[in-house]
Amino acid sequence: ILNVEQSPQSLHVQEGDSTNFTCSFPSSNFYALHWYRWETAKSPEALFVMTLNGDEKKKGRISATLNTKEGYSYLYIKGSQPEDSATYLCAFNDYKLSFGAGTTVTVRA
Amino acid sequence: KAGVTQTPRYLIKTRGQQVTLSCSPISGHRSVSWYQQTPGQGLQFLFEYFSETQRNKGNFPGRFSGRQFSNSRSEMNVSTLELGDSALYLCASSLLPSLLSRTDTQYFGPGTRLTVL
Repeated sequence: ILNVEQSPQSLHVQEGDSTNFTCSFPSSNFYALHWYRWETAKSPEALFVMTLNGDEKKKGRISATLNTKEGYSYLYIKGSQPEDSATYLCAFNDYKLSFGAGTTVTVRA
Repeated sequence: KAGVTQTPRYLIKTRGQQVTLSCSPISGHRSVSWYQQTPGQGLQFLFEYFSETQRNKGNFPGRFSGRQFSNSRSEMNVSTLELGDSALYLCASSLLPSLLSRTDTQYFGPGTRLTVL
């Protein structure tokens, strides 16, 4: 069973503040890491697919970095807004998506 | 382009019954994956279908099965329902299966919420 861990489990952020959280995965046999955002009552939405060590991806105020040698990825939200409130999931692709439990972000106005 | 659709959205069954859930992928997508989410658990992979063939399977009992039709629509079936099968079942579609492309994005449907009483 693949161990994909995300921390923290949840966090509360004041509107306008920036935040980041972690996804840890096995560093051996790495191929791809996927990030998803899952808002309440909606479908999970793909954010990034990351493949290369040192990769940095950006989508609006959200960005992600990847370190395949040590087995972690950071997701950053800059200037958090209430609409950023969601659960952020990472998934390690070992011929199927193995998801972490997610980090639930709540942005307080 | 229409997204992934799942029917029904909500379902209530009793123990011992069986249930069939349906998933229609994005037009042109030939791969469909199924996931289960229970309280306190992350998304757990059930199986993946591509070109009407199961390409990968997660660690679930044989009561969980699926199939894919020639139009890429997929169904999953759970027989002899147990209380622990109460969950949100999500399907996701992609152009290619994970076995062929580990960078292909999977697009998720809204899920079917199954409650077993």
